[in-house]
Amino acid sequence: DIQMTQSPSSLSASVGDRLTITCRASQDINNYLAWFQQKPGKAPKSLIYDASTLQSGVPSRFSGSGSGTDFTLTINSLQPEDFATYYCQQSKSYPLTFGGGTKVEIK
Amino acid sequence: QVQLQESGPGLVKPSETLSLNCDVSGYSISSGDYCDWIRQPPGKGLEWIGTIWHSGTAYSNPSLKGRVTISMDTSKNQFSLKVRSVTAADTAVYYCARRLYGGDIDVWGKGTTVIVSS
Repeated sequence: DIQMTQSPSSLSASVGDRLTITCRASQDINNYLAWFQQKPGKAPKSLIYDASTLQSGVPSRFSGSGSGTDFTLTINSLQPEDFATYYCQQSKSYPLTFGGGTKVEIK
Repeated sequence: QVQLQESGPGLVKPSETLSLNCDVSGYSISSGDYCDWIRQPPGKGLEWIGTIWHSGTAYSNPSLKGRVTISMDTSKNQFSLKVRSVTAADTAVYYCARRLYGGDIDVWGKGTTVIVSS
């Protein structure tokens, strides 16, 4: 199985900050990586696919990069609605696997 | 607009079978995309349960030890999930999601809570 390791597991940030979340795969997954945002009590929302392509309707302050084993999700100018938990997921091979999540809290 | 909606019993007894449906609107499930089932135990992260292709081929997570069956009914535009011999560890919010052919999930259902308890 491909292990997905996210870091940090949590962080505190302020509105307007720029933050970066990292996701590392235990083996090469090319660009078969997605990012999701989840707010408490809600279903996840798809943000990014193919490591760097924004889903329709996702604000441009979100961006993704990386290929192979190392990936990042960057949020420029954090907004109040961005406080949530973020997950990465690989779709290179079965079983599909998620990172453990990164909880972004208000400082 | 593509929408997915999970439905099924919210309470299942230990050792019984959990059965859920995912009703799809806005696209045909025979179009070429996949359906993923994903769950989230209380306070924990996301776990992939399995996937079914438009062809009917299905894959499930080995961690569930062969207890999973995923199927589709094109006449109803609906996917189904069965998990046999459930225990308290199967208590979770269950989601279905559309994953585009050769790509990633783009649309999620709202999820349904299943509690395993006698």
